Amino acid sequence: SQQGEEDPQALSIQEGENATMNCSYKTSINNLQWYRQNSGRGLVHLILIRSNEREKHSGRLRVTLDTSKKSSSLLITASRAADTASYFCATRGSGGYNKLIFGAGTRLAVHP
Amino acid sequence: DAGVIQSPRHEVTEMGQEVTLRCKPISGHNSLFWYRQTMMRGLELLIYFNNNVPIDDSGMPEDRFSAKMPNASFSTLKIQPSEPRDSAVYFCASSFGGGNEKLFFGSGTQLSVL
Repeated sequence: SQQGEEDPQALSIQEGENATMNCSYKTSINNLQWYRQNSGRGLVHLILIRSNEREKHSGRLRVTLDTSKKSSSLLITASRAADTASYFCATRGSGGYNKLIFGAGTRLAVHP
Repeated sequence: DAGVIQSPRHEVTEMGQEVTLRCKPISGHNSLFWYRQTMMRGLELLIYFNNNVPIDDSGMPEDRFSAKMPNASFSTLKIQPSEPRDSAVYFCASSFGGGNEKLFFGSGTQLSVL
């Protein structure tokens, strides 16, 4: 079963705008990860945030984590057409080995 | 580094045939994962190997599916006999560590069972 649920399912914006995607999960986690998937390709890891962290940055990406609300957000600033892809959050439970469970993803379309 | 290498890239077969998917993980990685992706069910973990040993195969749908990892640089996922509902994209991923770090995915095998 899916642990993370992304919102929205689809997002369409213009180049230069910011894109925000949200992820909610159900159980306690060790870490939460965001991945990108271009059409017809494998997933590419973007950023990992641990349960004791609240915010991380990587280039134009900003990820926040609120463990009290069991939610995370991915912000892409100054979007580009090349950012068009599906974005997935994935959560790993706490305690020993736990599966990395992926959400259904958000399809982002950035129009020139 | 060449990344995770999967073959074939596309596979079209008829119901009842045996299908073998192959994966070469990134050198030095000790964890390997097989995932299946469909529109209906999203990304599902089928099996996880650590140091060539299957740790979690609870996601393997049924006995028609089997996976092996004879050495650190090669893994196979076999479906025998294949059924149309097995049609999906199958991904192999690897990581270094005990499965708690980021995964590196291959480009996937698009399987169509007619």
